Amino acid sequence: GAVVSQHPSRVICKSGTSVKIECRSLDFQATTMFWYRQFPKKSLMLMATSNEGSKATYEQGVEKDKFLINHASLTLSTLTVTSAHPEDSSFYICSARTGNYGYTFGSGTRLTVV
Amino acid sequence: AQTVTQSQPEMSVQEAETVTLSCTYDTSESDYYLFWYKQPPSRQMILVIRQEAYKQQNATENRFSVNFQKAAKSFSLKISDSQLGDAAMYFCAYRQSWGSNYKLTFGKGTLLTVNP
Repeated sequence: GAVVSQHPSRVICKSGTSVKIECRSLDFQATTMFWYRQFPKKSLMLMATSNEGSKATYEQGVEKDKFLINHASLTLSTLTVTSAHPEDSSFYICSARTGNYGYTFGSGTRLTVV
Repeated sequence: AQTVTQSQPEMSVQEAETVTLSCTYDTSESDYYLFWYKQPPSRQMILVIRQEAYKQQNATENRFSVNFQKAAKSFSLKISDSQLGDAAMYFCAYRQSWGSNYKLTFGKGTLLTVNP
């Protein structure tokens, strides 16, 4: 089946630095990638939707300049958290649309900003 | 905007018993998809079951089945013969049939505990 490889699984960074999270579709072409943020024991909050070759569409309240999304190829989408602060610490999950109504999720990235 | 409501933050069930998780949603659309996802402690999201709104027959996947009541906008998940591995957070999700970038709207989740 379709697999989305998400890296890193865990990352600790210093406040003020940037961190990049990658999601690769291993055996299919992901034209659409969704990026979510999840707090402990909470639901997935959609941050943005990216379509290959175009600018990402951000949900209301999500800072575009802080959470940079790039989807330059059909197999790679990245989320860069710029100038990270402790409040950006969270679990980030990507999800690729597969077929008409399928979704494949990455395994998530736990970001800790110290 | 569509909303998905899961009114049970936590549920528990004895191993081998049956449990039903509730989900209601609000939409003005007539055609859409509904999903149940499972998120175990590993936090990997796993599709449990999917239902197309235009299909009257309730979806079934082995021990998992749904009770889809379109008029009532209700989509409950029944887990039969519960197993320890069923312990997880369960999310109900909605998606329009087309448009809106095909994004999913998730409920807040129900944490299921399975007691041995």
